[in-house]
Amino acid sequence: DIQMTQSPSSVSASVGDRVTITCRASQDISNWLAWYQQKPGKAPKLLIYAASTLQSGVPSRFSGSGSGTDFTLTISSLQPEDFATYYCQQAYRFSLTFGGGTAVGVK
Amino acid sequence: EVQLVESGGALVQPGGSLRLSCAVSGFSLSDSSMDWVRQAPGKGLEWISYISSSSGTKYYADSVKGRFTISRDNAKNALFLQMNSLRAEDTAVYYCVSDYGGIPNYYDFWGQGTLVTVSS
Repeated sequence: DIQMTQSPSSVSASVGDRVTITCRASQDISNWLAWYQQKPGKAPKLLIYAASTLQSGVPSRFSGSGSGTDFTLTISSLQPEDFATYYCQQAYRFSLTFGGGTAVGVK
Repeated sequence: EVQLVESGGALVQPGGSLRLSCAVSGFSLSDSSMDWVRQAPGKGLEWISYISSSSGTKYYADSVKGRFTISRDNAKNALFLQMNSLRAEDTAVYYCVSDYGGIPNYYDFWGQGTLVTVSS
């Protein structure tokens, strides 16, 4: 299986901060990567797919980049509603796999 | 409006069985492959199974292979997960998910989840 490693596992930030989360795949997955946001007690929400394509309705402060094995999710100016846990997911091959998650909390 | 509604979660003893259902509305199930994803309490997301639109192709995570069976009834717009030989580590919220209308394997539709607790 393809292993997905996210870092950091948690980050403390303030409203207005720029936040960057990284995800590394154990092998080349081209651009077959998605990012999800999950809030407590809720189902995850798709933010970005194909590494850099913003899902419809997602604010433009979210952006994704990368290809091959190294990927990044950036929140350009953190908003109060962005405090949540973020997961990457490889869509390249079954078994599909998720990263361990990055919790974005209040500094 | 697309809706996925899971049901069937319960408290079950180790070694027991349970069948989860997912009722789909807002699109025809025959137009979409479907998956199950689970999340243990306080833990991350784990993909566990996939079924193609015609049921011709199925995949399972190693952690459930041989114990869980995914199926669907397109006429009833319903997805199922038969879980046998349940273990404590199967305790989780189970989500049915769909990539309907989008690119395969990117899940833009999720149910609210149903909780399965395996404990004596």
